[in-house]
Amino acid sequence: AQKVTQAQTEISVVEKEDVTLDCVYETRDTTYYLFWYKQPPSGELVFLIRRNSFDEQNEISGRYSWNFQKSTSSFNFTITASQVVDSAVYFCALSDLEVSSSNTGKLIFGQGTTLQVKP
Amino acid sequence: DVKVTQSSRYLVKRTGEKVFLECVQDMDHENMFWYRQDPGLGLRLIYFSYDVKMKEKGDIPEGYSVSREKKERFSLILESASTNQTSMYLCASSFRGYEQFFGPGTRLTVL
Repeated sequence: AQKVTQAQTEISVVEKEDVTLDCVYETRDTTYYLFWYKQPPSGELVFLIRRNSFDEQNEISGRYSWNFQKSTSSFNFTITASQVVDSAVYFCALSDLEVSSSNTGKLIFGQGTTLQVKP
Repeated sequence: DVKVTQSSRYLVKRTGEKVFLECVQDMDHENMFWYRQDPGLGLRLIYFSYDVKMKEKGDIPEGYSVSREKKERFSLILESASTNQTSMYLCASSFRGYEQFFGPGTRLTVL
């Protein structure tokens, strides 16, 4: 069965600190997508990144970076020089690329990590 | 930009009422999803649809039904609302197995 684990329930940092959010996944499929979403206090989930299981290159986007390691089934997310606006719940998710003939790409979400960045 | 809209941000209903939650997307996505989000339980999939008039049960379909008469619109129906259906309801859409785009959510309270 597919599963996503975000072991950190809550993290609290002071502004300008770096913080890493962990994500470990389980799947028997060889092809899949991994995602990160951000849910600010307003409630809307915002898509951050999609990673294909064939592509293990790390990705950087401004202060955000992602480390995908297939060998350890992990897809960790690092925020460099955190800011108060980064305070949110962050979700990691897994999608089966070939979930069915309808290819609906259902997402399996982790439980989320609440990040609080204090000024 | 993809836009997913939901009919209400906040809704208060009474036990036994029939409740309609509507979701509209403007990106011609085939797939649409309804989730509920509760503290400590994360996001749970209620129903999804991969085409007009097609629907599949998610993880927690009991007490809910859905309707997809047009590609852009996906409705969630609570036939007889109960207090345990008080929750945040999130709609999403996607193209194939790619990222899902979410609406702002509807916070439903059933009294």
